[in-house]
Amino acid sequence: EAGVAQSPRYKIIEKRQSVAFWCNPISGHATLYWYQQILGQGPKLLIQFQNNGVVDDSQLPKDRFSAERLKGVDSTLKIQPAKLEDSAVYLCASTLRGYEQYFGPGTRLTVT
Amino acid sequence: QKEVEQDPGPLSVPEGAIVSLNCTYSNSAFQYFMWYRQYSRKGPELLMYTYSSGNKEDGRFTAQVDKSSKYISLFIRDSQPSDSATYLCAMSITTGTASKLTFGTGTRLQVTL
Repeated sequence: EAGVAQSPRYKIIEKRQSVAFWCNPISGHATLYWYQQILGQGPKLLIQFQNNGVVDDSQLPKDRFSAERLKGVDSTLKIQPAKLEDSAVYLCASTLRGYEQYFGPGTRLTVT
Repeated sequence: QKEVEQDPGPLSVPEGAIVSLNCTYSNSAFQYFMWYRQYSRKGPELLMYTYSSGNKEDGRFTAQVDKSSKYISLFIRDSQPSDSATYLCAMSITTGTASKLTFGTGTRLQVTL
């Protein structure tokens, strides 16, 4: 069974630029999550999708972050404009059973 | 106060040692308790989960939950260098199929030869 795929793996941008991350969940997993993991911290939930609907986006900084999951499969997370404090690893996870989440390798973002 | 507290370490032990990793939490609504392992530059992978107080064993790993004290532990027996990683505790509140995970900060473990 293929795991959660994410791209790109690494991205370096300057502040105020925009960036987008892509995630392809495990086939059949209806629920998809985006997390932000700052160095030395645990992952923090940004947004949760159930199929193509948003379940929880309470911690998503909506003035600069946006996410979509068209057709209930792939998802993209966008940051525009980026700030220095957005430097982090962005993790995508998917699940069939809620608590048992499978994570992708993450995208390491550096904002200079 | 954070909902989930975890000692960040780092923790360094010799090969073969018993490792104890711990987390405390404040939210009584948490239903599932999990341990994830994260190798450097990789995503977290689920090691174990449990939903009731008591012990759950899987090979060299034992997860322990004490809901009355709001305390969970992961024990690793006969630790190996390949166990060197960051261990994240996570707790969830599940409503139907929607589950929200809250993670600890992670404890970095180094097992030396």
